[in-house]
Amino acid sequence: NAGVTQTPKFQVLKTGQSMTLQCAQDMNHEYMSWYRQDPGMGLRLIHYSVGAGITDQGEVPNGYNVSRSTTEDFPLRLLSAAPSQTSVYFCASSQTEYTEAFFGQGTRLTVV
Amino acid sequence: KNEVEQSPQNLTAQEGEFITINCSYSVGISALHWLQQHPGGGIVSLFMLSSGKKKHGRLIATINIQEKHSSLHITASHPRDSAVYICAVRSYNTDKLIFGTGTRLQVFP
Repeated sequence: NAGVTQTPKFQVLKTGQSMTLQCAQDMNHEYMSWYRQDPGMGLRLIHYSVGAGITDQGEVPNGYNVSRSTTEDFPLRLLSAAPSQTSVYFCASSQTEYTEAFFGQGTRLTVV
Repeated sequence: KNEVEQSPQNLTAQEGEFITINCSYSVGISALHWLQQHPGGGIVSLFMLSSGKKKHGRLIATINIQEKHSSLHITASHPRDSAVYICAVRSYNTDKLIFGTGTRLQVFP
């Protein structure tokens, strides 16, 4: 039972490059979300989705895009990476917004 | 001031000790979560509660809605309990989770 799978685990980007962080879940969860974790701060919500075809912005959406073409996948795209996007990114899924969340292993992204 | 405050920020203990981690919040909530983040980075949900007390193995979580406070207790602590413990509340107004900055626990043999 894979749960929530995030790839890659580590990534280094140059300023201005674009990339996609992948997130997939095999629990048929409707609700998926992306967070970033920075030193001295709690996790902050970037984008979320309540089901296939539906996405919405969280607290810190600027510089990121998402799509939800299937229930299983919720990729996060960095359009033009900036050093301020250096962070650890977590994808999470849950049956609904109000139920227990399952987290991926995280992606440590460094933008130089 | 953060809407979710955890204390202490860092905690060290000897194996076998009783551990208490505190979480105070300033917003109206519909639920509170306790999460564990392992040294390797993965995050696991421990508890979700909206009232009273929950127990799972050596872990106990309590919440006092009137005082806007929750505690996570670990009985008979073990080195494998070493992790960062994160409190998160679901805001009644926004429906979104607000996370604390975590408590780093180290348990030594």
